[in-house]
Amino acid sequence: QSALTQPASVSGSPGQSITISCTGTSSDVGSYNFVSWYQQHPGKAPKLMIYEVSKRPSGVSNRFSGSKSGNTASLTISGLQAEDEADYYCCSHGGRSTFYVFGTGTKVTVL
Amino acid sequence: EVQLVESGGGLVQNGRSLRLSCAASGFTFDDYAMNWVRQAPGKGLEWVSGISWNSGIIGYADSVKGRFTISRDNAKNSLYLQMNSLRPEDTAFYYCTKDKPAMSSGLDYWGQGTLVTVSS
Repeated sequence: QSALTQPASVSGSPGQSITISCTGTSSDVGSYNFVSWYQQHPGKAPKLMIYEVSKRPSGVSNRFSGSKSGNTASLTISGLQAEDEADYYCCSHGGRSTFYVFGTGTKVTVL
Repeated sequence: EVQLVESGGGLVQNGRSLRLSCAASGFTFDDYAMNWVRQAPGKGLEWVSGISWNSGIIGYADSVKGRFTISRDNAKNSLYLQMNSLRPEDTAFYYCTKDKPAMSSGLDYWGQGTLVTVSS
């Protein structure tokens, strides 16, 4: 049950696109199309942004998109906005007894 | 409107027990799996435990296995976490979360969290 690996921080200017990587193993990310991404602003509960690798919940901007290749998943934020500044966590199903395994988290800074 | 309201957190001594509760409303509770996720102050998210809609499938993180017990009462639309043999490293905000329809595909609703502090 090791945490998925994310970069500690990613930054970009308003309007730019950034991509956050999430590296797991063949036992989690590589085995299931159950990768999700969460946005967390300071002092707030996390919010689901992407589920099942690339699906967006109702109400989430289409500037957020997800993908997966092998053991690595990615979240891309296009047209970066000041409100996107937050912590982002990836998550994957880890097997029958490990419902979820989270990533280490990435702090996104809008320059 | 979906609401998840946690209760039961507080300050407890090392080795003692605490029971968290989560009151759910705004959706058909017994249609969905539920989970507890925690976050130590200033740290990342950690999945703690999950339970299927009918309690037939239950899972725990290695860090809590043998000490924590998850349960649910569908008649009361409630989720619980019995925490025994608490340790200082269990100090965290504990979030009650609801699964998407496909179990383990994503956590679409989160409570505001309840803080558990374990003193040494």
